[in-house]
Amino acid sequence: SAVISQKPSRDICQRGTSLTIQCQVDSQVTMMFWYRQQPGQSLTLIATANQGSEATYESGFVIDKFPISRPNLTFSTLTVSNMSPEDSSIYLCSVEYANTEAFFGQGTRLTVV
Amino acid sequence: GENVEQHPSTLSVQEGDSAVIKCTYSDSASNYFPWYKQELGKGPQLIIDIRSNVGEKKDQRIAVTLNKTAKHFSLHITETQPEDSAVYFCAAIRGNTPLVFGKGTRLSVIA
Repeated sequence: SAVISQKPSRDICQRGTSLTIQCQVDSQVTMMFWYRQQPGQSLTLIATANQGSEATYESGFVIDKFPISRPNLTFSTLTVSNMSPEDSSIYLCSVEYANTEAFFGQGTRLTVV
Repeated sequence: GENVEQHPSTLSVQEGDSAVIKCTYSDSASNYFPWYKQELGKGPQLIIDIRSNVGEKKDQRIAVTLNKTAKHFSLHITETQPEDSAVYFCAAIRGNTPLVFGKGTRLSVIA
């Protein structure tokens, strides 16, 4: 399995500000993803973080709101921009290996006030 | 695209009893079916998985079965313990694509 370090683990932010979440993996991985999990809900895919190119976003998510970087095969960041209370959620980094096994970070619990 | 349905949404069992969670998927090309356990305040943890060339897999008290014809798979937990209480998610995937999750089952094991 992978060791995935996601930071910060939680934050309380003012509306209108931005937060950048970091995801560091202890080994090179084929694919990295960012998910959002609203309270009591399942996981919703935000985007696939592509190494060296622009992320691939799912319907309902746009780059201006959720810019993503992936400079190498072990690191990615997700920024939640111009936050509103509706952005309060848990954000999760996930990695997937070539054999399709996927693992998750501990998540970032974001509260926007 | 793939669609995964999961039932039940909540499940309460007495300690020592068995628990069964069922999922169906829509894409016959899906070939990997993991199960995740999520405890409060933590990220999902992979607990068992099954690939499309296998009908059943067991790991101590947990087992997963797959029926490719019917496109459904199930998680079985035997001799449940209070520490099994959590939210369980099934997922389906085809190749190197993102996981598609079910809506989750909140399992409560009553001591």
